[in-house]
Amino acid sequence: GQQLNQSPQSMFIQEGEDVSMNCTSSSIFNTWLWYKQEPGEGPVLLIALYKAGELTSNGRLTAQFGITRKDSFLNISASIPSDVGIYFCAGPPFNNNDMRFGAGTRLTVKP
Amino acid sequence: NAGVTQTPKFRILKIGQSMTLQCTQDMNHNYMYWYRQDPGMGLKLIYYSVGAGITDKGEVPNGYNVSRSTTEDFPLRLELAAPSQTSVYFCASSGALYTEAFFGQGTRLTVV
Repeated sequence: GQQLNQSPQSMFIQEGEDVSMNCTSSSIFNTWLWYKQEPGEGPVLLIALYKAGELTSNGRLTAQFGITRKDSFLNISASIPSDVGIYFCAGPPFNNNDMRFGAGTRLTVKP
Repeated sequence: NAGVTQTPKFRILKIGQSMTLQCTQDMNHNYMYWYRQDPGMGLKLIYYSVGAGITDKGEVPNGYNVSRSTTEDFPLRLELAAPSQTSVYFCASSGALYTEAFFGQGTRLTVV
């Protein structure tokens, strides 16, 4: 019930295309975090969302905290080769301090 | 800026051996976390700490122990290593609970 379902599992896109990925759960979350992980590195925070309905941008990245508090999405516009990596959603379920991570979306960008 | 530093980067253990994974941060963060990441999977929380002297279990604490004697250091101890503990271990810290966590580069552990 507190698992995060992240989709798609992987994406192969052409440079310049827009990307959309999402994260859903059957549980309510108070916070949604989006991280990017590159090979051999730890995850790096991209965007943090703290309120239902919140829409936040970070350069070409935009993320939204779903109104139901059970989902979030991340969009990347005009993708470039350095966007390659694994994108994770994460968050603590309501009334729970245990941070959950999705299984990740692996993004490949072809020049 | 060092941020979060983990040592060692790689380690091979034999079944039944023990070891300590070191983690230190220089950002004066109260919150620190240990995660494990299995191949193709997301991260799972092992233990976390909200300040010196305070630790709590995460999702997968069995087989591990932690201590937090200082704000800077949060070592993870494996007793009686098992093949199921083969994974990449990440330490992280944040100024507030689960916000803007900074991760170390990870320790790749293999138990044979």
